[in-house]
Amino acid sequence: NAGVTQTPKFQVLKTGQSMTLQCAQDMNHNSMYWYRQDPGMGLRLIYYSASEGTTDKGEVPNGYNVSRLNKREFSLRLESAAPSQTSVYFCASSDRGRGDTQYFGPGTRLTVL
Amino acid sequence: DAKTTQPPSMDCAEGRAANLPCNHSTISGNEYVYWYRQIHSQGPQYIIHGLKNNETNEMASLIITEDRKSSTLILPHATLRDTAVYYCIAHAPTSGTYKYIFGTGTRLKVLA
Repeated sequence: NAGVTQTPKFQVLKTGQSMTLQCAQDMNHNSMYWYRQDPGMGLRLIYYSASEGTTDKGEVPNGYNVSRLNKREFSLRLESAAPSQTSVYFCASSDRGRGDTQYFGPGTRLTVL
Repeated sequence: DAKTTQPPSMDCAEGRAANLPCNHSTISGNEYVYWYRQIHSQGPQYIIHGLKNNETNEMASLIITEDRKSSTLILPHATLRDTAVYYCIAHAPTSGTYKYIFGTGTRLKVLA
């Protein structure tokens, strides 16, 4: 039982490049989330997926797109990376039927030059 | 979800109890109090949550005041590995709101 896994762990992009961050969970959770964390700050929600087939904007969605590929996988895409998107990205999942505690992945550290 | 307020930092001697306070004066009746911690930029780790009764698990105890306007997370015997940022979050799991609101948390430093 790996919990929540994220790939890659580290990534460096040039301004304007695109990339997709991958997230998978093996806990059969319905809900999945993408957060970003800037230095010295708390986590901010980018997008979430309440259940398979649905996605919704969070607090800071601009510049990102998401895909809930199936119940296990939730990807985050940066179409044209900007230096302001330099951050640590965390994926999480939860089961609202069981207390809605969120389980987080180890994070992806992204630098945009 | 209600806003929470925590002190920015605290120190605790190793082996002593660490008591981390949280104010959530606007919490509504269906909102639980959740605690997470983040050790050195790793993904946040769930600790405990509760509605109105005190809760205890293998990691910590959660004391919620009777009026539910504040709570305290207690780490009974703090170790150096408990050094982390601790986040208190008010959230209603049965509401239409899915997001947690993370503040800046309390940076706990356990001293040898």
